[in-house]
Amino acid sequence: AQSVAQPEDQVNVAEGNPLTVKCTYSVSGNPYLFWYVQYPNRGLQFLLKYITGDNLVKGSYGFEAEFNKSQTSFHLKKPSALVSDSALYFCAVRDPRNKLSFGAGTTVTVRA
Amino acid sequence: SQTIHQWPATLVQPVGSPLSLECTVEGTSNPNLYWYRQAAGRGLQLLFYSVGIGQISSEVPQNLSASRPQDRQFILSSKKLLLSDSGFYLCAWRTSGNTGELFFGEGSRLTVL
Repeated sequence: AQSVAQPEDQVNVAEGNPLTVKCTYSVSGNPYLFWYVQYPNRGLQFLLKYITGDNLVKGSYGFEAEFNKSQTSFHLKKPSALVSDSALYFCAVRDPRNKLSFGAGTTVTVRA
Repeated sequence: SQTIHQWPATLVQPVGSPLSLECTVEGTSNPNLYWYRQAAGRGLQLLFYSVGIGQISSEVPQNLSASRPQDRQFILSSKKLLLSDSGFYLCAWRTSGNTGELFFGEGSRLTVL
């Protein structure tokens, strides 16, 4: 079965520092991977996806993610975090029935 | 452009009362539609999905049901709410045949007392 794991419940960084949110995946076949962000009491917003091609994927709000096949990882990154990046982040993988399975989420707190 | 609407945004209901949450998508046709539940502000659980009018697939046995009376309308219902039905309900859509990303509504927060 397709699944993703987010090993960190919480990530804390200072504003201006690099931000990394980790995700590892387990799939049979080629993975379709996604990142979403959720602000309090809001729906999920799509950030970026990896389908095929370049291992470094650029997305919305200055985020990018690096697909690493050998490490089965798809970590989300931002070179310089902002206080407004504080939110809940979800990694997801598409299963063979075309539905998304989500990780448990990582809460990011960026302190001023 | 496509938009998705959910209502009501917030709902407080007594145990045993009925429920109806609605979701509509505009600007697209024949979307795949999904209901997710998010408990305690964390992980998402897929409840139902639909690939067309009247076609509903249930992912988990529960006290809820879903219907799709029109192409771009998806309804989540219950005849008698339980305390455990409390949560944040998210509707999502994607176009058939795309690469899989979902687009979510703003959610409906249900509190059962």
